Amino acid sequence: DQQVKQNSPSLSVQEGRISILNCDYTNSMFDYFLWYKKYPAEGPTFLISISSIKDKNEDGRFTVFLNKSAKHLSLHIVPSQPGDSAVYFCAARALYSGAGSYQLTFGKGTKLSVIP
Amino acid sequence: DTGVSQNPRHKITKRGQNVTFRCDPISEHNRLYWYRQTLGQGPEFLTYFQNEAQLEKSRLLSDRFSAERPKGSFSTLEIQRTEQGDSAMYLCASSSGQGLDEQYFGPGTRLTVT
Repeated sequence: DQQVKQNSPSLSVQEGRISILNCDYTNSMFDYFLWYKKYPAEGPTFLISISSIKDKNEDGRFTVFLNKSAKHLSLHIVPSQPGDSAVYFCAARALYSGAGSYQLTFGKGTKLSVIP
Repeated sequence: DTGVSQNPRHKITKRGQNVTFRCDPISEHNRLYWYRQTLGQGPEFLTYFQNEAQLEKSRLLSDRFSAERPKGSFSTLEIQRTEQGDSAMYLCASSSGQGLDEQYFGPGTRLTVT
């Protein structure tokens, strides 16, 4: 049972355009969401996060949007650069719900290719 | 380098052998996590330590797996009687326990069981 779903295995975007990566979740206990970026042969690198008390969080070229009613979040990268080419993972956690779990639940990832 | 470090980076072993991996977290972080990642999947949680106490274990952590964090600093993950299905990337992460408690990952140990 996949609690965090990234339905697009891959995405290709032209340099300078917007990249939009999507993520859906099913567990209503999740209240904290993170995006990680992963290059081959390296561990995931933390990119940006959002808690359920917000619907948007911005950090430079990266913005994450959260739609709690739809249980959907998205990562926007503007403008996209060739160095952004990597696998992006969406992760979720029940941080505030009092469930006491510290684990992150990850999606399967979306491979982003930014074409020069 | 003050990030999470893991050793070895690669390990090839024969089925039935025991292997041990080490993780050194970011120095001020009291929380440490182990995850496993197989091809085409996201990382899957294995276990969590707060200081030296192991507080959470996944059902993925069979009795052939054992993790320790004896002094609340580095951690080891041992797999006994390895099987081909254990071939994966083993990732360690640490967090401070403060604020939003983001987890920061190490480069991983790639295990291949032949």
